[in-house]
Amino acid sequence: AQSVSQHNHHVILSEAASLELGCNYSYGGTVNLFWYVQYPGQHLQLLLKYFSGDPLVKGIKGFEAEFIKSKFSFNLRKPSVQWSDTAEYFCALGGFKTIFGAGTRLFVKA
Amino acid sequence: KAGVTQTPRYLIKTRGQQVTLSCSPISGHRSVSWYQQTPGQGLQFLFEYFSETQRNKGNFPGRFSGRQFSNSRSEMNVSTLELGDSALYLCASSSRGTRENNEQFFGPGTRLTVL
Repeated sequence: AQSVSQHNHHVILSEAASLELGCNYSYGGTVNLFWYVQYPGQHLQLLLKYFSGDPLVKGIKGFEAEFIKSKFSFNLRKPSVQWSDTAEYFCALGGFKTIFGAGTRLFVKA
Repeated sequence: KAGVTQTPRYLIKTRGQQVTLSCSPISGHRSVSWYQQTPGQGLQFLFEYFSETQRNKGNFPGRFSGRQFSNSRSEMNVSTLELGDSALYLCASSSRGTRENNEQFFGPGTRLTVL
């Protein structure tokens, strides 16, 4: 069965700190992987996606993620967070039905 | 392009009632998926419709149903509402033409409160 696991449910960082959010998936086939973000009061929106090719993918707002097939991981990173990055982040495994992780709430202290 | 729209945005119902939620996908998108979002369970997949056919279904009881019209608009119905159905219901559309096109675009959601 497909599943997505996000390691941290709540993360608190100070501005300028580096961010890494963990995501592991379980699926034996070809993977489509996504990170979505939900800012307070806003729609879910796509940060970045991986389908094939370069395992290091870059998304919007300075975010990037690395697909490591051997570890079944797709961790999200940002070198220096800003207060405006405060949001909930979801890792998702795409396919015939998209499976979302439980989400990680990030709070960035100004 | 206009985004995914959902109506109504907020809804209050009582136990035992039924409710219908509506979703209009991005123009040209033929796939519409529905999700339930709650603080405890996160985002859970309800079902997906493509070209008026239900193509995938999550693990929800039969009280949850949906349909899609020829213009790709979709409706979701919940019958015999229970308190636990209180949630944000999200609709997402995608073009679903190829693997690369299964990126989903989400609407703002309908906040359903069951009293």
